[in-house]
Amino acid sequence: DQQVKQNSPSLSVQEGRISILNCDYTNSMFDYFLWYKKYPAEGPTFLISISSIKDKNEDGRFTVFLNKSAKHLSLHIVPSQPGDSAVYFCAALQTGANNLFFGTGTRLTVIP
Amino acid sequence: NAGVTQTPKFRILKIGQSMTLQCTQDMNHNYMYWYRQDPGMGLKLIYYSVGAGITDKGEVPNGYNVSRSTTEDFPLRLELAAPSQTSVYFCASSYTSGGSYNEQFFGPGTRLTVL
Repeated sequence: DQQVKQNSPSLSVQEGRISILNCDYTNSMFDYFLWYKKYPAEGPTFLISISSIKDKNEDGRFTVFLNKSAKHLSLHIVPSQPGDSAVYFCAALQTGANNLFFGTGTRLTVIP
Repeated sequence: NAGVTQTPKFRILKIGQSMTLQCTQDMNHNYMYWYRQDPGMGLKLIYYSVGAGITDKGEVPNGYNVSRSTTEDFPLRLELAAPSQTSVYFCASSYTSGGSYNEQFFGPGTRLTVL
């Protein structure tokens, strides 16, 4: 049972435009959400996170939005750069638990 | 700091063989984790450890064993390898498990094929 879902396996965006990656979750007990970025042959690296007490968190070009009522979060990258081309994983957890639940990932390609 | 290191990078096993995937971290993190990632899927937690001598099962522990004798090392043991264990294995560590500190640092992965 996939508790965190990323329904778009891939996304292509022109350099300089906005990239929007989406994520849905089913478990209402999740209260902390993270985005990880993964390049080929490397492990995932942490990108940005958001607590359920917030609806937005921004870090440079990256902004994560959380809609708790819809159980939906999104990652916005503005402006997109070719170096952003990677697989992006959404992850969620319940504070105090040890299991981080990952989505299946979205492969972002930024076209120069 | 090397961060989280994993060996080997690649391995091919025959059905029924056993092996140990090594994981070491030099960040003095208390928490360590083993995940597997099957093609087209997200990472799934196999086992985790909250400190030396303490381990617990994750979402998909069957067919694996772990031990944690030191803070730095968290090896994953596969006994009687099966084709269903063909996957990429990631080790990770974090300072704590929850809240705003749960940034897990991942190793580069071990790609295992069981034939």
